[in-house]
Amino acid sequence: DTGVSQDPRHKITKRGQNVTFRCDPISEHNRLYWYRQTLGQGPEFLTYFQNEAQLEKSRLLSDRFSAERPKGSFSTLEIQRTEQGDSAMYLCASSFILSEAFFGQGTRLTVV
Amino acid sequence: SQQGEEDPQALSIQEGENATMNCSYKTSINNLQWYRQNSGRGLVHLILIRSNEREKHSGRLRVTLDTSKKSSSLLITASRAADTASYFCATDDVQGAQKLVFGQGTRLTINP
Repeated sequence: DTGVSQDPRHKITKRGQNVTFRCDPISEHNRLYWYRQTLGQGPEFLTYFQNEAQLEKSRLLSDRFSAERPKGSFSTLEIQRTEQGDSAMYLCASSFILSEAFFGQGTRLTVV
Repeated sequence: SQQGEEDPQALSIQEGENATMNCSYKTSINNLQWYRQNSGRGLVHLILIRSNEREKHSGRLRVTLDTSKKSSSLLITASRAADTASYFCATDDVQGAQKLVFGQGTRLTINP
């Protein structure tokens, strides 16, 4: 399968714990996006990369969120000291510049 | 903040009828993309239309773009039960960092 892959698909964690999600983009796509989506809402932009450079991070994101894309390949999104409000679907997408963006199946996070 | 706004928020039609959804946005764009999302699943890319294009077709889908009105429409002809899903438009921002920003979506229900 050469689509966007996200791992894990589901994550249940206790409040206060740290979690890390991984995204493997489509090979050679230079842009990689992270979004968060809650029930009934559209995807909310979190951050995105062009190659290994993080071009923008949403002002809505607290300092508990960090993302990396070492060597411009896969990316990780870490949430520190999780809160119940972090419960959501976390979506990753990749694309070439100014081209179609393709999404993975998402990671559903539940904070209990 | 969301760039695009879909209208209507919800649409319910009979199988076989045509469904039209609209998207309005605020800034100049390079392109506009439409996506479909089934409940609890990832987003599926439907079509990309560039700012210098006015209309595009893909199977039963027809997308129009009016950059003077900053609006787009998605027409699904001869709807089927399997078309039941949420539909989102996404735009980039020519002047910004060109991140992809989504609207809140239209929830389409096809009744048998």
